[in-house]
Amino acid sequence: GQQLNQSPQSMFIQEGEDVSMNCTSSSIFNTWLWYKQDPGEGPVLLIALYKAGELTSNGRLTAQFGITRKDSFLNISASIPSDVGIYFCAGFKSGGSNYKLTFGKGTLLTVNP
Amino acid sequence: SAVISQKPSRDICQRGTSLTIQCQVDSQVTMMFWYRQQPGQSLTLIATANQGSEATYESGFVIDKFPISRPNLTFSTLTVSNMSPEDSSIYLCSVGGLTDTQYFGPGTRLTVL
Repeated sequence: GQQLNQSPQSMFIQEGEDVSMNCTSSSIFNTWLWYKQDPGEGPVLLIALYKAGELTSNGRLTAQFGITRKDSFLNISASIPSDVGIYFCAGFKSGGSNYKLTFGKGTLLTVNP
Repeated sequence: SAVISQKPSRDICQRGTSLTIQCQVDSQVTMMFWYRQQPGQSLTLIATANQGSEATYESGFVIDKFPISRPNLTFSTLTVSNMSPEDSSIYLCSVGGLTDTQYFGPGTRLTVL
């Protein structure tokens, strides 16, 4: 089935540093989503991208939908301790009767105060 | 976004028993989905819960093991049947609409002994 390659698998950074993570696929996606999951919680939607080339910000977060529609990146600027968690990319390929969202394996972010 | 609740939030069950997980949304939604997240892993779609008809299962998941109900546009249940320790996971429901965006519930953490 579809697979998303998400990297890096984990990151250890100092508070105040910027962070970048990305997802790539061999297939085209119509929508890219970025989620954050805290321990014991469900994933929370951070940013949704619907058009190739789209660049969207949400506070300190910026994400882009790759022009080839096969990749996306998420940047976090000036990281703070509460940014700690697992970040997942997800791609959506609609069509037919099966709306299937495919997830990357996640990036574990640790922020040292 | 919709407010999604799940019951129970966690449970510890004996091998061979079954557990029914409930997902309640505070507004009517078009699409409802059930995911499994095994320890330290990403999210895997189990099935799409269809209102008024049988759920659509992904490869590797069958109705006898994971029966799903969706009696209306705000509620769904997932049953994990004849459980084994390998079923220990977080089970998450999500909801979506026409914009391809999905929102997740808080999850049900299941431990099977």
